[in-house]
Amino acid sequence: GDSVTQKQGQVTLSEDDFLFINCTYSTTTYPTLFWYVQYPGQGPQLLLKVTTANNKGISRGFEATYDKGTTSFHLQKASVQESDSAVYFCALTQTSSGQKLVFGQGTILKVYL
Amino acid sequence: EAAVTQSPRSKVAVTGGKVTLSCHQTNNHDYMYWYRQDTGHGLRLIHYSYVADSTEKGDIPDGYKASRPSQENFSLILELASLSQTAVYFCASSDARTGGYEQYFGPGTRLTVL
Repeated sequence: GDSVTQKQGQVTLSEDDFLFINCTYSTTTYPTLFWYVQYPGQGPQLLLKVTTANNKGISRGFEATYDKGTTSFHLQKASVQESDSAVYFCALTQTSSGQKLVFGQGTILKVYL
Repeated sequence: EAAVTQSPRSKVAVTGGKVTLSCHQTNNHDYMYWYRQDTGHGLRLIHYSYVADSTEKGDIPDGYKASRPSQENFSLILELASLSQTAVYFCASSDARTGGYEQYFGPGTRLTVL
């Protein structure tokens, strides 16, 4: 079945560092891909979305590129801020049901001053 | 943006007791979902619904029931709560008519079963 893998359980950075969060996926089709962000005490919220049509998503300084060759959808940001500290989830639309999403395990980002 | 609210925001239940978690959305979305979140497991789908009076099993439905009495409301029911059901539960909604697949989440309910 469809799956999403985030190998990094936690990433710790200092402000202004470059952020890279790894996400790879497995599916038999070309899904829509998402990054969600969850701040402490809140529900996940959509950060960015990429389809096969546009290949790259950019939002709030974050960007992710849809790479069909390596089946990856890594999240990047040039310069992180303390306020970016949160949990980040990669997700994709399920092949069997277009509205259902499959989520990765999440990556905790901690940014220190 | 969709507004999804959940009640209660936290609850302590006893083992074997019945627990009902409620979700309400105000954006006229057709799909609604219940997820649980445990450390290290991300979000796992319990039940979902695409129309009132109908529910579907997700990936981990055992021990849970769901009810969708109206388009706006979706409940998750634990008939016999167990220690293993201690988790944070999120409700979400999406609009299939737009074809966008984005899901909008509520703030979560922290359930502790003792």
